[in-house]
Amino acid sequence: GESVGLHLPTLSVQEGDNSIINCAYSNSASDYFIWYKQESGKGPQFIIDIRSNMDKRQGQRVTVLLNKTVKHLSLQIAATQPGDSAVYFCAEKGSGGYNKLIFGAGTRLAVHP
Amino acid sequence: GAGVSQSPSNKVTEKGKDVELRCDPISGHTALYWYRQSLGQGLEFLIYFQGNSAPDKSGLPSDRFSAERTGGSVSTLTIQRTQQEDSAVYLCASSLIPTGRHEQYFGPGTRLTVT
Repeated sequence: GESVGLHLPTLSVQEGDNSIINCAYSNSASDYFIWYKQESGKGPQFIIDIRSNMDKRQGQRVTVLLNKTVKHLSLQIAATQPGDSAVYFCAEKGSGGYNKLIFGAGTRLAVHP
Repeated sequence: GAGVSQSPSNKVTEKGKDVELRCDPISGHTALYWYRQSLGQGLEFLIYFQGNSAPDKSGLPSDRFSAERTGGSVSTLTIQRTQQEDSAVYLCASSLIPTGRHEQYFGPGTRLTVT
């Protein structure tokens, strides 16, 4: 079946450092991926997305890298700030259509001063 | 503009009771999704609406779960004869275009506790 998982359940970084959150996906037919940020008590918030015809996409302080060869996705956060502390989820669009998103288990990012 | 809203924000119910959870999507968004998030877990897809129809109900865990959408807007998720394992945060999301970009906008969720 389809599944999306994360390598690291928790990640602790120092403020100002760069953070890298990794994600593995199993469905090679997936053509769209999203990273969401979820703060405590809130719904997931869109960060950045990438289509399978791209290897890299940059946003403000964030970069998503896609390696289709090994079915790996990563989110890089530059100059991590305390406000970046949250749980980060990767998600892939299910191959069954209808835009059903399949989410990984999440990685908690803790930023220390 | 207003985002996705959900009500109630918290619901405590006794085992065996029925509950209704409400979702108001972003105005004009034709696609609506329900997900369930158990404590410390990722999001589990439940059902997808395109307009008032639900072409994908594959995530509903049992026949105790049902959902409807009226007027292409508000949706309600109903859980009958609630069980303790139904305790979770129920999240609703909407998107403007069901194909192309798939960005979904999430509401804050309803935390359901079954005692």
